[in-house]
Amino acid sequence: EVQLVESGGGLVQPGGSLRLSCAASRFTLSSYWMSWVRQAPGRGLEWVANIKQDGSEKYYVDSVKGRFTISRDNAKNSMFLQMNSLRVEDTAIYYCAREDWFGDYVWFDPWGRGTLVTVSS
Amino acid sequence: QSVLTQPPSASGTPGQRVTMSCSGSSSNIGTKTVNWYQQLPGTAPKFLIYNNNQRPSGVPDRFSGSKSGTSASLAISGLQSEDEADYYCAAWDDSLNGWVFGGGTKLTVL
Repeated sequence: EVQLVESGGGLVQPGGSLRLSCAASRFTLSSYWMSWVRQAPGRGLEWVANIKQDGSEKYYVDSVKGRFTISRDNAKNSMFLQMNSLRVEDTAIYYCAREDWFGDYVWFDPWGRGTLVTVSS
Repeated sequence: QSVLTQPPSASGTPGQRVTMSCSGSSSNIGTKTVNWYQQLPGTAPKFLIYNNNQRPSGVPDRFSGSKSGTSASLAISGLQSEDEADYYCAAWDDSLNGWVFGGGTKLTVL
């Protein structure tokens, strides 16, 4: 079964940094765009960033631009999210998701189980 | 505040048909296809509908989607207790150059 597993979450103080990882198994990461999506406690889903197959294109939601950096290592079948200058409002479960596709149609599948990031003093 | 607008809640009794809406704009739903996701309590989201109305294998035909103009909707017929979940619509937004989600609709099966 195709699977994504996130790691690297934890408790960090405001202004601190954290690096999330997403390990892919049973599919070739290099064939897909990949995304990070987050969910604050009791709130809805918010897309954070995505990255093209070869890493040449990256897009971010405005609230994290200049603070977060998405990257990937296709040789290790892994994706990363470097989060700097963290704010209390970045507290959320962070999910990685594969952007699966068929023709012009794209959707998120599968999703990982998520990793919790808590920003608090 | 989410770019796509969904009603916060919906409800129905077992066997009923319920619908939930998703409203956007010309930069997202108006020109892009809509996907729907189901999030059962305490779990990660699960892919439910793509290209406005297409179901992936494994999703029951009780679930159906539609789109008209800048709005989309999800319908669930023959409602079952295990359908109680949060439902999210999503689409790519050409103005924001990113994916946008609705705020989610919490479905309660009475």
